[in-house]
Amino acid sequence: EVQLVESGGGLVKPGGSLRLSCAASGFTFSNAWMSWVRQTPGKGLEWVGRIRSSGYGGTADYGAPVKGRFTISRDDSKNTLYLQMNSLKTEDSAIYYCTSDVSTPGAWDIWGQGTMVTVSS
Amino acid sequence: QSALTQPPSVSGSPGQSVTISCTGSSSDVGSSNRVSWYQQPPGTAPKLMIYEVNKRPSGVPDRFSGSKSGNTASLTISGLQSEDEADYYCTSFTSSSTWVFGGGTKLTVL
Repeated sequence: EVQLVESGGGLVKPGGSLRLSCAASGFTFSNAWMSWVRQTPGKGLEWVGRIRSSGYGGTADYGAPVKGRFTISRDDSKNTLYLQMNSLKTEDSAIYYCTSDVSTPGAWDIWGQGTMVTVSS
Repeated sequence: QSALTQPPSVSGSPGQSVTISCTGSSSDVGSSNRVSWYQQPPGTAPKLMIYEVNKRPSGVPDRFSGSKSGNTASLTISGLQSEDEADYYCTSFTSSSTWVFGGGTKLTVL
């Protein structure tokens, strides 16, 4: 079964840091381009960033609101995706989803259940 | 990159058809075939319904169809059913190698 499971969410103070993880199974993770998408409770979806597969350099792109503060990385030996979030702001509070385009080019056909991040003093 | 523009809400009766629009610019919808649509019932993760403007993933009913004209993409749901009630989001790849979402549309089945 194709599956993504996020973890690492929680409560953090403004200016703090948090690292999210996403464990993948059921597909060839090392070939997958992975993305993070977030959703503020009661509001819409926002693309956070993506990381290319190692075969394409493993480089990452980011959305403007998080560029310079967030870093996406991957460990193909552990089938795990990471999101390191630094200098957190209250507006970063959201559900963070891990997602990928396993069977549908350029569109996210598999999603995790999401992990909640709350940034508050 | 500004969000794509969707109507906040649409509604229709069972059996009817509804269309949700998604308006962007020449830097995203107008220049990309990577336009997708997602369905999100309350409390669940998004589900891919349409990709590459008009393709349906396996398992998505053919009642769902997508199209694009210029800078505007559209999702049409025909033969509305109660289970179609959800939030719908469009997204597009951009000329800056980023992705942008629409603000979402709440579909109510009357």
